[in-house]
Amino acid sequence: NAGVTQTPKFRVLKTGQSMTLLCAQDMNHEYMYWYRQDPGMGLRLIHYSVGEGTTAKGEVPDGYNVSRLKKQNFLLGLESAAPSQTSVYFCASSEPGTGILGEQFFGPGTRLTVL
Amino acid sequence: EDQVTQSPEALRLQEGESSSLNCSYTVSGLRGLFWYRQDPGKGPEFLFTLYSAGEEKEKERLKATLTKKESFLHITAPKPEDSATYLCAVQASGGYQKVTFGTGTKLQVIP
Repeated sequence: NAGVTQTPKFRVLKTGQSMTLLCAQDMNHEYMYWYRQDPGMGLRLIHYSVGEGTTAKGEVPDGYNVSRLKKQNFLLGLESAAPSQTSVYFCASSEPGTGILGEQFFGPGTRLTVL
Repeated sequence: EDQVTQSPEALRLQEGESSSLNCSYTVSGLRGLFWYRQDPGKGPEFLFTLYSAGEEKEKERLKATLTKKESFLHITAPKPEDSATYLCAVQASGGYQKVTFGTGTKLQVIP
């Protein structure tokens, strides 16, 4: 099992450009999440999904969009990148059967720089 | 608003020197408290879940404990491979079941 994978690993964008980050998981988990991690701040939830075809906003959703067309994939889009979106992005998944959402499996991250 | 504060921000230990990391939390009803380990350039790796005050969990040299206001991660006789950033997170009960993460304690174990 590969667990949670993310592509790409690194990306440099210019202000105003768009891109999509791809997350895939092979654990058949229902819940998937997108976080950003910035120096001196905890992981912050951008968007999440509780199942195929559903998405919801997290703490910091502005400037991002997501889609979950297939259960195993969760896409994060930046329509018009801004320097404030320079960060490390992590995807995670969990199985909510017990209602305990904090036992999450994380991907390796995507380091994004917006110039 | 749920809050998680971890201390110290950084800790440097000699190999074999035991110590504890602290996670103080404020949450309106605790559903679970979680500890993660994060190595440089990698995603967090889940370690433990604690559900109620008085509970303890152990894994190798790590032992996590929980009170009504804080959690401790005790590291006994650490080795250099224990060097990592340790993250604490909480999930509140009821309503929007968001998980709130702390900023972590960066542990360095020197041979």
